[in-house]
Amino acid sequence: KAGVTQTPRYLIKTRGQQVTLSCSPISGHRSVSWYQQTPGQGLQFLFEYFSETQRNKGNFPGRFSGRQFSNSRSEMNVSTLELGDSALYLCASSLDGRAYEQYFGPGTRLTVT
Amino acid sequence: GDSVTQMEGPVTLSEEAFLTINCTYTATGYPSLFWYVQYPGEGLQLLLKATKADDKGSNKGFEATYRKETTSFHLEKGSVQVSDSAVYFCALSDLRAGGTSYGKLTFGQGTILTVHP
Repeated sequence: KAGVTQTPRYLIKTRGQQVTLSCSPISGHRSVSWYQQTPGQGLQFLFEYFSETQRNKGNFPGRFSGRQFSNSRSEMNVSTLELGDSALYLCASSLDGRAYEQYFGPGTRLTVT
Repeated sequence: GDSVTQMEGPVTLSEEAFLTINCTYTATGYPSLFWYVQYPGEGLQLLLKATKADDKGSNKGFEATYRKETTSFHLEKGSVQVSDSAVYFCALSDLRAGGTSYGKLTFGQGTILTVHP
C-alpha cells in the first residue's frame, strides 16, 4: 500500500506570495491532518479534515487554510507569506481521525525569502 | 491545555549503551501516549504507543510504560545502535476530549539522539 505523499517536496517563495501544498493520503484513509514543524516552535497542529469538512483547527492565523476533496486528497494554502512561515509542513492521514493511527508523509520544506 | 515536556537534548551515546529519554505530560482527560521517530529528511514514524495507564508499548527494542501517577512515558532501550540516531518525539492525543482532539497530536520539543560506533 502506498504511503502518504506530499508535493512538492521543496518550495522557495517570496514574502507576500501565496503557496499551495498538496497531500495524498493512504488509500482508504478519510482523515488528513496538517502540522508545521520549525526549530523554534517544534511540531504544531494546523488543522484536520475528514470527509471534506474541517473538524479541528489549531491556533494559526486565517492566512492558513485548507480543503479536502472527495477522494480525500487535501491541500493547504498559505496566503501573504511571511518569513516566519518557513518550515517543514507535514501531513498525516488516518482512517477516521484517531490520532494513534496517523501515518505521516515526508513533508514539504517551504522557504520564504 | 494539553502539553508534553521532553528532556533537554541532544543525547550522545556510544553503541550498545542504555538509552532513556524522559517525557512527562499534562492533560485534562485520559490521553493516549506515543513515541514518534524522525530520521533525517523524512517524516515521522510511529515507534510505539500506549492507550491507558500501566500499558507498556514496545517496538524494535524500545519500550515505554504509561505511568498515570507520575504523568510520564519515558522511552528506554537497552542497547542502542548507530542506526537509532534520529530525533525522538513524545506525543499525546486525548480522543475523549471530543471535537478539539480530532486528528490532533500534541508533541514534545523532540530529543536528538546521536549514537557513535
